[in-house]
Amino acid sequence: KAGVTQTPRYLIKTRGQQVTLSCSPISGHRSVSWYQQTPGQGLQFLFEYFSETQRNKGNFPGRFSGRQFSNSRSEMNVSTLELGDSALYLCASSLGQSNTEAFFGQGTRLTVV
Amino acid sequence: AQSVAQPEDQVNVAEGNPLTVKCTYSVSGNPYLFWYVQYPNRGLQFLLKYITGDNLVKGSYGFEAEFNKSQTSFHLKKPSALVSDSALYFCAVRDWGRDDKIIFGKGTRLHILP
Repeated sequence: KAGVTQTPRYLIKTRGQQVTLSCSPISGHRSVSWYQQTPGQGLQFLFEYFSETQRNKGNFPGRFSGRQFSNSRSEMNVSTLELGDSALYLCASSLGQSNTEAFFGQGTRLTVV
Repeated sequence: AQSVAQPEDQVNVAEGNPLTVKCTYSVSGNPYLFWYVQYPNRGLQFLLKYITGDNLVKGSYGFEAEFNKSQTSFHLKKPSALVSDSALYFCAVRDWGRDDKIIFGKGTRLHILP
């Protein structure tokens, strides 16, 4: 069965622009979580969506937002990009119960110049 | 709030020797604990998890982890390291009683020396 698919894989944007990243979860998975990975900070939790509702949110500014569609696909948007937003953005899907593991996509490498 | 600590940024082990990657956690309630591995330019791959029951959990690629409630630890172990085990390892915790988000440690880079 297909894994978690993230598009695009690589992205270069200019400061002040906005960007939208996409994530297609594993079929049947209803939970999608987003993480930002940087060398200094490790994996930082952004938010989690379950059945189109935001279930948890991390400590990121309001420039970071997301949504989930009825088919469980999710998008993440970052507005007014800053140089510090350069990172690997990872999406993870799971069945949604607390005791289930998450499956990660390969990530989107965002570079802000 | 829950948290995870991986005290070592890097661990070096000779091929064939046993390896241990350390993880300690803090939760208000009961923990669900996970280990993931990340190879270069890839997403994270699930290795194993502790939910309940036996404190020794076996996972993929010969890895295992021991849950120690009194020490709030969940160390990853392997009896005999392979060069191909070289990667970045993440410990993660979810406090099932209070919050559903999974929190990750900062990662430990494992170098297996031939």
